[in-house]
Amino acid sequence: DAGVIQSPRHEVTEMGQEVTLRCKPISGHDYLFWYRQTMMRGLELLIYFNNNVPIDDSGMPEDRFSAKMPNASFSTLKIQPSEPRDSAVYFCASSRAQGEQYFGPGTRLTVT
Amino acid sequence: GENVEQHPSTLSVQEGDSAVIKCTYSDSASNYFPWYKQELGKRPQLIIDIRSNVGEKKDQRIAVTLNKTAKHFSLHITETQPEDSAVYFCAASSNDYKLSFGAGTTVTVRA
Repeated sequence: DAGVIQSPRHEVTEMGQEVTLRCKPISGHDYLFWYRQTMMRGLELLIYFNNNVPIDDSGMPEDRFSAKMPNASFSTLKIQPSEPRDSAVYFCASSRAQGEQYFGPGTRLTVT
Repeated sequence: GENVEQHPSTLSVQEGDSAVIKCTYSDSASNYFPWYKQELGKRPQLIIDIRSNVGEKKDQRIAVTLNKTAKHFSLHITETQPEDSAVYFCAASSNDYKLSFGAGTTVTVRA
């Protein structure tokens, strides 16, 4: 089992640019989660999907953030336009129903 | 929404001693309480969890206790080892999925 796969692992971009983070969940998992981790705010749930449908996006900070899950094996988190305060580690996680959430390795985003 | 507070923020223990981390939560509907361990530069990994129909759960050197009346739960690590050094996060959820995390406790085990 390859685990949750995220790409890129590191992203450095300039303020105002569009950033797209990608995630491939563990096969057979029907829940997918996007988290953001910063020193100031800790680990925050941004949005989660069940069977490719967004269930709760109340953690999405603002309209600059959007997430999609076009199929069971792929999800994206997009930030447009990016700002320096978006710098963080973004984790994707997946799980079965009422199961353990398995985290991916994360994408470290730096916006200059 | 749910608010989870975690104490202490840092904890230094001598190898072989016990470590205790405490969390409180605000939402009485919360019924799922996982604990995650995150080593430096790595991803969070679940180490133990407990549900509201259970008061205590053990897994080798790790145990978690839950007091629903007081709305607090604790992680106990016995016979600490250097590899236990990490950041530990508690979390709470009312539906198994929407986790609210505590701020984390940095545990350092001194050899």
